[in-house]
Amino acid sequence: GAGVSQSPSNKVTEKGKDVELRCDPISGHTALYWYRQSLGQGLEFLIYFQGNSAPDKSGLPSDRFSAERTGGSVSTLTIQRTQQEDSAVYLCASSLERGGPYEQYFGPGTRLTVT
Amino acid sequence: AQSVAQPEDQVNVAEGNPLTVKCTYSVSGNPYLFWYVQYPNRGLQFLLKYITGDNLVKGSYGFEAEFNKSQTSFHLKKPSALVSDSALYFCAVRDHNQGGKLIFGQGTELSVKP
Repeated sequence: GAGVSQSPSNKVTEKGKDVELRCDPISGHTALYWYRQSLGQGLEFLIYFQGNSAPDKSGLPSDRFSAERTGGSVSTLTIQRTQQEDSAVYLCASSLERGGPYEQYFGPGTRLTVT
Repeated sequence: AQSVAQPEDQVNVAEGNPLTVKCTYSVSGNPYLFWYVQYPNRGLQFLLKYITGDNLVKGSYGFEAEFNKSQTSFHLKKPSALVSDSALYFCAVRDHNQGGKLIFGQGTELSVKP
């Protein structure tokens, strides 16, 4: 079946601009996660959505970062007033959760470059 | 706080030889442990997980890992390495009291030479 998809695959933006990154999870997966992968920081957790529960935002690095998940499916990660240190690969993952814990399935990522 | 350590940035192995990629973890509760592999310009692929039960876990592509509670380790192993196993390997932990987020190690680059 279809895996996790992310768009765009690459995004180049100027410092100070806002960007939106999109994630389409695997159908039927109730949990959705965003991570960031960068050379200096490795793989970092950003935010986690589980069903209708309040999201776990404990990994968001600043208030410039926000995410939403509409209808329990598609998620958008928004970065406002981008900075050069935001340059990274942003990975989305989804999993089943009830009766878990289940492994997370990752998308191919969005490579963000802030110039 | 939860943490994962992968003490080796790189592991070099000759094809056909056994390989081990090391991982140690620290969590406050019972750990759920995972191994993922990342090929160049690709997302992470799940290899195997330990939740409970048998300490030796078998996964995809002939990989296995042994959970050792006393040493807080979860080393990844394969009896006979292939050149195609060359990739970046990540160990991750999830504390069952801390929701679904994974905490990843820094990654180990595995290079298998013919």
